[in-house]
Amino acid sequence: RKEVEQDPGPFNVPEGATVAFNCTYSNSASQSFFWYRQDCRKEPKLLMSVYSSGNEDGRFTAQLNRASQYISLLIRDSKLSDSATYLCVLRNQAGTALIFGKGTTLSVSS
Amino acid sequence: GAVVSQHPSWVICKSGTSVKIECRSLDFQATTMFWYRQFPKQSLMLMATSNEGSKATYEQGVEKDKFLINHASLTLSTLTVTSAHPEDSSFYICSAGTSGMYEQYFGPGTRLTVT
Repeated sequence: RKEVEQDPGPFNVPEGATVAFNCTYSNSASQSFFWYRQDCRKEPKLLMSVYSSGNEDGRFTAQLNRASQYISLLIRDSKLSDSATYLCVLRNQAGTALIFGKGTTLSVSS
Repeated sequence: GAVVSQHPSWVICKSGTSVKIECRSLDFQATTMFWYRQFPKQSLMLMATSNEGSKATYEQGVEKDKFLINHASLTLSTLTVTSAHPEDSSFYICSAGTSGMYEQYFGPGTRLTVT
């Protein structure tokens, strides 16, 4: 089983739509969780960290369910500029490398 | 935020030649640097972890004699792809962090094409 699994999509949505991405992970000892965004032919950029209590940053809401080993990202009021690949990322221990999912591709159209 | 640069941003080389990629932390001292590789439509895969002043730790399946990593200073790590083959064509990305870091900072990546 892969360490991080994501639905690859693509998700094609109109502007203003709400879209949710899911991710599962296999290592119950994983400590830190993140969502990164990657644009075509660019490096990944941190979108937000994910906390057990859930956290929100503007139109973006992230949730973590440690019991189910499940992470989600909700994007409200989608913008054209949200079109990108969203990577579910975790780290098993502080100071160690990040472990990336394959990513979910989002395409927002007008 | 912290800035990490990579050079070159893209390179085309002939099969059998060697290519060196540099990763620099511009405004902080990076005790640890990570090298990742990403093939089209695939996830970033960790190749090796590099700590300043010591030998790199390679992930399973990554040939250390083919992918030479040097981390001689707190602001520079290099990855040399030796005797490159077309299957080495990929997007190589480094990231850097400090001791006990929470966040890692990514370089912009190097796109290698081997013909």
